[in-house]
Amino acid sequence: DADVTQTPRNRITKTGKRIMLECSQTKGHDRMYWYRQDPGLGLRLIYYSFDVKDINKGEISDGYSVSRQAQAKFSLSLESAIPNQTALYFCATSDRDPKLYNEQFFGPGTRLTVL
Amino acid sequence: QQQVKQSPQSLIVQKGGISIINCAYENTAFDYFPWYQQFPGKGPALLIAIRPDVSEKKEGRFTISFNKSAKQFSLHIMDSQPGDSATYFCAARETGSARQLTFGSGTQLTVLP
Repeated sequence: DADVTQTPRNRITKTGKRIMLECSQTKGHDRMYWYRQDPGLGLRLIYYSFDVKDINKGEISDGYSVSRQAQAKFSLSLESAIPNQTALYFCATSDRDPKLYNEQFFGPGTRLTVL
Repeated sequence: QQQVKQSPQSLIVQKGGISIINCAYENTAFDYFPWYQQFPGKGPALLIAIRPDVSEKKEGRFTISFNKSAKQFSLHIMDSQPGDSATYFCAARETGSARQLTFGSGTQLTVLP
C-alpha cells in the first residue's frame, strides 16, 4: 500500500465550484505539505503544516485553504475554483527528526482541471 | 522570481551517454541541495542530495557537482539508460526553522534506446 495517498486522482470541475483534495499518510510523519506543479514552473508550495495545530502559508496560498484533521490527514480546498488553478497537485510528508526531515515523500498527485 | 534556476527545460540523450542538468541559485542561506526524480503519473522522489561543505557526491551512476563560489550545482547521469527517462527537479533549502524546499522548474530527460 502507498504511504502517501491522494484523492481524487483526477477531477474536472467548473469555475466557481468548491473543491477539496484530500491527503492521507501512513508514514507517521508530523510534517505535511501541499504543492502545485505547472509546466515550466516546477513545484510551488501552497501550504505546510508541522503538526495538527500548526498551519503555515507557502509561496502561493491565495485562493486556497487547508485543514489538518489529524496527524495523518491534510486537506486542500479551493473555495471558488478558477481556470488558472488547473494544475497537478501534490501532497508530501517529512519526518520531524532533524536527521530525517530533509527528505520529503510525495503522493501520486491529483490532476485538477477547472473549466 | 525563481530562486533556483534550472536548465535545460528538456534534454534528449542517447543510451550510454552522459546527461547533465544544471541549477543556479542566489540565496547564500541555502544549505541543502537535493535532486528529485519524477516518473510520469508519479510523485517526485528523492534521488540524491548534497550539502555545501563538499564539492561532489556520487551514488551509482548519479553524481552531484557543487560549486559554492559560483552558486551552481549540477546532476550528472553517467551511462544514461532509457529507464532514466523522467523529469528531474533540483531544489534548495534555507537555513532556519521553516526549512522549506524551493524547487527548480524541472528538466524532462529522454534517453533514446
